[in-house]
Amino acid sequence: AQTVTQSQPEMSVQEAETVTLSCTYDTSESDYYLFWYKQPPSRQMILVIRQEAYKQQNATENRFSVNFQKAAKSFSLKISDSQLGDAAMYFCAYNQGGSEKLVFGKGTKLTVNP
Amino acid sequence: EAQVTQNPRYLITVTGKKLTVTCSQNMNHEYMSWYRQDPGLGLRQIYYSMNVEVTDKGDVPEGYKVSRKEKRNFPLILESPSPNQTSLYFCASARKGVYGTPDTQYFGPGTRLTVL
Repeated sequence: AQTVTQSQPEMSVQEAETVTLSCTYDTSESDYYLFWYKQPPSRQMILVIRQEAYKQQNATENRFSVNFQKAAKSFSLKISDSQLGDAAMYFCAYNQGGSEKLVFGKGTKLTVNP
Repeated sequence: EAQVTQNPRYLITVTGKKLTVTCSQNMNHEYMSWYRQDPGLGLRQIYYSMNVEVTDKGDVPEGYKVSRKEKRNFPLILESPSPNQTSLYFCASARKGVYGTPDTQYFGPGTRLTVL
């Protein structure tokens, strides 16, 4: 079964600095999608970024970018110029191509210090 | 505005009293799913549906029922709620992707359920 591991239960960063959240996953498949979701205190689940496994280029969305290492099965999220509004739980998720299941990691709580 | 809505947002009930949490999406998505979120466990899938009248079990289906009579609605039914079903529940929807399976999932605002 596919598993997603987020090894950092909590992280903190100073406002305007850069932080990287780690995610590793276990799969024997070659076609899949990876996601980062943000859950602020409002509890809403918000899509941050998505990566297709067949794409070698790392996905980028404004201040958010990923470092996708397919061979290492690693999918880290980099947040640049951190803002107070970035404080949230961040969940890494995996979806195997051809599957209806979305498997989540247990999350990393990010604190942004002013 | 494209969105997934859930009702109610908060619910306190007692053991054994049947309840339904509604979920509706206005994006014409084929795929809909229910998750529960518990501290330290992340999100776990309860049931999903790839289309009208097509539903299937996720990882934690015990104690839940669903139906998909219309494309836009996917209610979650707890026939006899128990305290271990106290949780935060999310509905999600997605369009069908290149593999015929869900593309990016978009989540509703969540329903916090407490069963006493």
